[in-house]
Amino acid sequence: AQTVTQSQPEMSVQEAETVTLSCTYDTSESDYYLFWYKQPPSRQMILVIRQEAYKQQNATENRFSVNFQKAAKSFSLKISDSQLGDAAMYFCASPPMNTGFQKLVFGTGTRLLVSP
Amino acid sequence: NAGVTQTPKFRILKIGQSMTLQCTQDMNHNYMYWYRQDPGMGLKLIYYSVGAGITDKGEVPNGYNVSRSTTEDFPLRLELAAPSQTSVYFCASRPTGTGVRQETQYFGPGTRLLVL
Repeated sequence: AQTVTQSQPEMSVQEAETVTLSCTYDTSESDYYLFWYKQPPSRQMILVIRQEAYKQQNATENRFSVNFQKAAKSFSLKISDSQLGDAAMYFCASPPMNTGFQKLVFGTGTRLLVSP
Repeated sequence: NAGVTQTPKFRILKIGQSMTLQCTQDMNHNYMYWYRQDPGMGLKLIYYSVGAGITDKGEVPNGYNVSRSTTEDFPLRLELAAPSQTSVYFCASRPTGTGVRQETQYFGPGTRLLVL
């Protein structure tokens, strides 16, 4: 069963604007990391940001930040001051249900389009 | 560090042929993974390994085999290739981490496989 849901197949943003990509997950773990990966046209999977679930403070990496709502199992990615190079597929990932911490499950992705 | 390397970058197979996708990492990571990514989809786990000599099935293992004789290498074997195995294959590795938390997975550049 799918445990990571990205409900936005595609999002558009203009340069310099802010966009938020949503992700919900379901895990039985109590202590875990959550991840956002970026996949540009080159297909390379690049880590954007990760959140430690036991930390209440939202993670930030330069223009990228997360809004982590543990009780709601929501993990959205906010991109500020969007740039043309941000155009890519974005995948969120979390540990799956009932199978421990060894694996990750990926969502189906959100394609981000950035216009000048 | 070269990180995670995969060969070949691209391959065309005929139905029924076999091949091995190579994956090597030089980061001394114990955990290694094989994923496939079908067009417009997220990543699905084929097999993974928690150390040399130890492998386990993921979500979509049918039609594939793996071995892990060294820490560095984790080859994926396709026997009797079928058109349904047309996909992009990613290898990833990660350190063991502390406690039970997932650590960041680092991905190779991918191998594009076309079965005709």
